[in-house]
Amino acid sequence: DAKTTQPPSMDCAEGRAANLPCNHSTISGNEYVYWYRQIHSQGPQYIIHGLKNNETNEMASLIITEDRKSSTLILPHATLRDTAVYYCIVSPISNFGNEKLTFGTGTRLTIIP
Amino acid sequence: NAGVTQTPKFQVLKTGQSMTLQCAQDMNHEYMSWYRQDPGMGLRLIHYSVGAGITDQGEVPNGYNVSRSTTEDFPLRLLSAAPSQTSVYFCASSYSTGARTEAFFGQGTRLTVV
Repeated sequence: DAKTTQPPSMDCAEGRAANLPCNHSTISGNEYVYWYRQIHSQGPQYIIHGLKNNETNEMASLIITEDRKSSTLILPHATLRDTAVYYCIVSPISNFGNEKLTFGTGTRLTIIP
Repeated sequence: NAGVTQTPKFQVLKTGQSMTLQCAQDMNHEYMSWYRQDPGMGLRLIHYSVGAGITDQGEVPNGYNVSRSTTEDFPLRLLSAAPSQTSVYFCASSYSTGARTEAFFGQGTRLTVV
């Protein structure tokens, strides 16, 4: 019962923008899109989240399409430390405490020197 | 401010043994969760808590018990260890405000059941 679809792997050259897509065609109106990443088997790390507007923080930008069926996480200037598995997660507003996250298999992003 | 601390980092158990994985957070977060991660897979939710004295089951609760007697601590008990419980276990704590939320994860406990 996958709620999101991500490519299993991607490469990006160091210093370039990394654009990670996520399909969530069955998202409902009360669900947020969250992005987390996991570096080398460490605990996952929160990156960003959004409902319908585009969002930006110090780590990344999140672009959500107008119909909310897909989104793109953008790392503007990728570094080697951004090599990680990136998870796109759809979660209802009732789970705004993030206590019940449903992780898929994510996208393994490799930054190439 | 240590964040989320899990102990032990590594553990080997024999089939049938019981043990408790410890998780403590010093951020006064109301929400805490336990996940397991098997090789090549994403994390799966075992149990979670929305506050002291309140716990609920996640996706894969069988074989595990939890309790939340304080805000800071959320131990995970394996009742009778089985090889299928060999995994990496992550504890997380989180908060929510009107505009922001995020979960903070510990560094994991790598458990092998032989």
